[in-house]
Amino acid sequence: NAGVTQTPKFRILKIGQSMTLQCTQDMNHNYMYWYRQDPGMGLKLIYYSVGAGITDKGEVPNGYNVSRSTTEDFPLRLELAAPSQTSVYFCASSNPGQGSDEQYFGPGTRLTVT
Amino acid sequence: GNSVTQMEGPVTLSEEAFLTINCTYTATGYPSLFWYVQYPGEGLQLLLKATKADDKGSNKGFEATYRKETTSFHLEKGSVQVSDSAVYFCALRGGTSYGKLTFGQGTILTVHP
Repeated sequence: NAGVTQTPKFRILKIGQSMTLQCTQDMNHNYMYWYRQDPGMGLKLIYYSVGAGITDKGEVPNGYNVSRSTTEDFPLRLELAAPSQTSVYFCASSNPGQGSDEQYFGPGTRLTVT
Repeated sequence: GNSVTQMEGPVTLSEEAFLTINCTYTATGYPSLFWYVQYPGEGLQLLLKATKADDKGSNKGFEATYRKETTSFHLEKGSVQVSDSAVYFCALRGGTSYGKLTFGQGTILTVHP
């Protein structure tokens, strides 16, 4: 049971490039989330999903897109990368329907846009 | 909307000192409250939680009590260890928020031998 895994761990992008951050969980959780963590700040929610085929915007969705074609995977797409997207990105999952509201986090992806 | 405010950091303590990290919140209804911990180079892990007023969450010697009258959820530990050095986040989940968490800005704790 690997929990929540994220790839890559680190990435440097040039302005205007695109990339996809991968997130996979093997706990059969229905809910998944993408957060970004800026220095000295708490985590901000980018997008979330309550099940395969269902996604919705969080607090800071601009510049990002997501999809959820399977229960396990929740990739985050950056189009036209900008320096303001330099951050650490965390994926998380939970399953409130099982009586627990704990979110399980992946190890993060550190992204630099220059 | 919901918001969480944590005390300014960083916090530096000697081993065996008493720890308090303050957390206050603003929310409608009856949120659940959490403390998450982030060790260097890792993702966040749930440390403890409380789901209703006057509940006390506890784990690994840490405690926090859900105080609705003061809208607070302060984290305490009687005797910190070097291994407690980490970033601590207070968070809340609203009643109808699909599990979404609102985080405080985090407090860096460094414990010296």
